[in-house]
Amino acid sequence: EAQVTQNPRYLITVTGKKLTVTCSQNMNHEYMSWYRQDPGLGLRQIYYSMNVEVTDKGDVPEGYKVSRKEKRNFPLILESPSPNQTSLYFCASSLSMAGGPILFIGELFFGEGSRLTVL
Amino acid sequence: KNEVEQSPQNLTAQEGEFITINCSYSVGISALHWLQQHPGGGIVSLFMLSSGKKKHGRLIATINIQEKHSSLHITASHPRDSAVYICAASGGGADGLTFGKGTHLIIQP
Repeated sequence: EAQVTQNPRYLITVTGKKLTVTCSQNMNHEYMSWYRQDPGLGLRQIYYSMNVEVTDKGDVPEGYKVSRKEKRNFPLILESPSPNQTSLYFCASSLSMAGGPILFIGELFFGEGSRLTVL
Repeated sequence: KNEVEQSPQNLTAQEGEFITINCSYSVGISALHWLQQHPGGGIVSLFMLSSGKKKHGRLIATINIQEKHSSLHITASHPRDSAVYICAASGGGADGLTFGKGTHLIIQP
């Protein structure tokens, strides 16, 4: 079954305690991305990756790191979480193709979401 | 950077009504995505379109590239259509995806 798997689904942590949210897809997709969703602000892109070892900042990358060492995995790392990073996080993947300055992103497949609370 | 605007922000309708949700973007794109999120639920892709029109069951999505505008229509709406509908634009420069803020739809029986 085609799926994007995120873990953990729920996490409560304290300020400054490093954490990693994992994301894995089994569809051999090139494009993977992370979003946070906050009331009134909608979905905002944190980081995205067009392929292995290629990552780019989205709209709200501050306080986050990512890596793409394998095609199937795209973990989100919070080195020193702060309360303003309390949010609902989604990982997504899709087929993609980059042609010069244009990025074509195919149908998106989302993980189930990870609700993070930083105290 | 692409700006994506959705309207309306909130919509309440009666079961059976024809629903239209609009999405406008500021920069030429390679594809426009429509997503659905049920309360407390995950996000599901409904459509991905670059031109013209697509239909899936009671849902229809259209896009006008020249006017930089897309619409999502729901025919014979049903309470199970109650959800947040989100449009997202890709390809407006190599910036990944830009999202609208979503339309919160409630269909009353």
